[in-house]
Amino acid sequence: GENVEQHPSTLSVQEGDSAVIKCTYSDSASNYFPWYKQELGKRPQLIIDIRSNVGEKKDQRIAVTLNKTAKHFSLHITETQPEDSAVYFCAASIPPTNAGKSTFGDGTTLTVKP
Amino acid sequence: GAVVSQHPSRVICKSGTSVKIECRSLDFQATTMFWYRQFPKQSLMLMATSNEGSKATYEQGVEKDKFLINHASLTLSTLTVTSAHPEDSSFYICSARDPIRDREPYEQYFGPGTRLTVT
Repeated sequence: GENVEQHPSTLSVQEGDSAVIKCTYSDSASNYFPWYKQELGKRPQLIIDIRSNVGEKKDQRIAVTLNKTAKHFSLHITETQPEDSAVYFCAASIPPTNAGKSTFGDGTTLTVKP
Repeated sequence: GAVVSQHPSRVICKSGTSVKIECRSLDFQATTMFWYRQFPKQSLMLMATSNEGSKATYEQGVEKDKFLINHASLTLSTLTVTSAHPEDSSFYICSARDPIRDREPYEQYFGPGTRLTVT
């Protein structure tokens, strides 16, 4: 089955700095890669996603890059703010026609210090 | 659109009893729902894929007789934790896809989760 590794497990940055979280996956059939932000006791919130036919996607301060050949994808947050502090999860999903299951990384706890 | 609810949000039960958690898609029909559990400071672990009108598909290591899943309608899936024990205490989250609204239905819409505590 799919295996997703996520690094680092914790990340502390100063407000205004950039944060980068990296994930690798193992199943070449995975073709959808979402990133979620989860605050304590809450549901995961989709913040950005990328599909396998795209190499990069940006939404304001957040960007995701995908290298299909190397099977890795990264989340980039620029100009970090204290409210960006949360746990971030990457995931890799196989097509819905094949059950559409998602495998999550172990998460990164991001702390943005004011 | 694409709202998923869960009920209850929190439940405390005694060891040996059963607990039912409901997952509803409020504004769309979901042929497939997913059930996850999340331990503190850990990731979401997929327990099973719930398919409307058919048996759920369980992930390896998940006891299907302990975690009963019923997806009787296009808007409701239930997870029943039978004979609960303290080690079943966890955060249970469901999700669903909207195959009508989303041209390529990849995005999952998560419920708010249910905190189960077994005493």
